[in-house]
Amino acid sequence: AQTVTQSQPEMSVQEAETVTLSCTYDTSESDYYLFWYKQPPSRQMILVIRQEAYKQQNATENRFSVNFQKAAKSFSLKISDSQLGDAAMYFCAYRRVYNFNKFYFGSGTKLNVKP
Amino acid sequence: NAGVTQTPKFQVLKTGQSMTLQCAQDMNHNSMYWYRQDPGMGLRLIYYSASEGTTDKGEVPNGYNVSRLNKREFSLRLESAAPSQTSVYFCASVVQETQYFGPGTRLLVL
Repeated sequence: AQTVTQSQPEMSVQEAETVTLSCTYDTSESDYYLFWYKQPPSRQMILVIRQEAYKQQNATENRFSVNFQKAAKSFSLKISDSQLGDAAMYFCAYRRVYNFNKFYFGSGTKLNVKP
Repeated sequence: NAGVTQTPKFQVLKTGQSMTLQCAQDMNHNSMYWYRQDPGMGLRLIYYSASEGTTDKGEVPNGYNVSRLNKREFSLRLESAAPSQTSVYFCASVVQETQYFGPGTRLLVL
């Protein structure tokens, strides 16, 4: 079974600083997708960034980037130039390629941004 | 455009009672999911529906049943509630990788 682990329940960062959120996962498959989602108080799960396992290049979306280490089964999220609006719960998620409806989520990391 | 709505917002049940959690979306999405969220365990998929008329088990389906009544509505039923089903339940409507969550239902089973 696939499992996703986020070992940091809560983190804090100063506005304009950089923070890295950790995620590890367990799978026996060689091809899959990994995601970071942001969940603000509104509860909507917003896709932050997506990584295909077959791509060696790390995904980047503006201030958000990942460090994908396939052999180590590690998928961390780096947020640069943190903004107050980045404060939220962040969930790491895994999805198999061929069963695209099943998402497996980590337990989440609450990110606080201090002004 | 209300997005995803869930009813009720909060419910207390006694062990053995049954209830149905309702979910509706007005975004014309094909895929709808039911998750439960427990402290320290994140979101776990209970059931999903890839399209109207189809449903499939997720990670933790035992003790639950679902009905995809039409494209808009996806209900979750607890036939005989157990204390282990105390949780927050989220319905989600999905398009590509964007998941639109409802506000959640807090369920307490005594």
